[in-house]
Amino acid sequence: SAVISQKPSRDICQRGTSLTIQCQVDSQVTMMFWYRQQPGQSLTLIATANQGSEATYESGFVIDKFPISRPNLTFSTLTVSNMSPEDSSIYLCSVAGAAKSGLADTQYFGPGTRLTVL
Amino acid sequence: AQKVTQAQTEISVVEKEDVTLDCVYETRDTTYYLFWYKQPPSGELVFLIRRNSFDEQNEISGRYSWNFQKSTSSFNFTITASQVVDSAVYFCALSDPSNDYKLSFGAGTTVTVRA
Repeated sequence: SAVISQKPSRDICQRGTSLTIQCQVDSQVTMMFWYRQQPGQSLTLIATANQGSEATYESGFVIDKFPISRPNLTFSTLTVSNMSPEDSSIYLCSVAGAAKSGLADTQYFGPGTRLTVL
Repeated sequence: AQKVTQAQTEISVVEKEDVTLDCVYETRDTTYYLFWYKQPPSGELVFLIRRNSFDEQNEISGRYSWNFQKSTSSFNFTITASQVVDSAVYFCALSDPSNDYKLSFGAGTTVTVRA
């Protein structure tokens, strides 16, 4: 499977500020996704990051709150804007369609970013 | 709409016991994929297995085995002779190509293996 890294691995932020999370893959991938995992909960898809076009957001998530960039086939960012304590979660990126794996229908996940908002 | 149900919230066993995690799914698609992921305390999500809807063969990988039964819409996971390192949250998930392979996750089952 592809090697996926995320930065930062964890952060503690103040209410009202914004944090940008980076996701880097070691090979070109077709699809990249961003998920949120609130404490003790399952994973919820935020959006699909589309290369060269605007991200596709799931119900309940909006671009103003979670702007996403995907400038190329190996990199994406998720920004959590105007944060509140309710945004405290693990944010994970995933990829699918990596040439190395040969499995376009399987998502592989990054290590996650643990965000705490005070 | 897709739905994945993991009815067991927590399971606690003593080392060397077997543990079976249940997963029941709902989908109207004939082509779909089922997955199991492991999330240890460190937080990363580790891919364990992928199974497509046309392959009902059971699979064994070391101490792990999976039982896929379309007739009951179930995809259960068994850990044989559990070890402390198996302690984690395990997620069952479902995707289909018509929905861009978006994953629908179950609520997860927390497995605690005591020495």
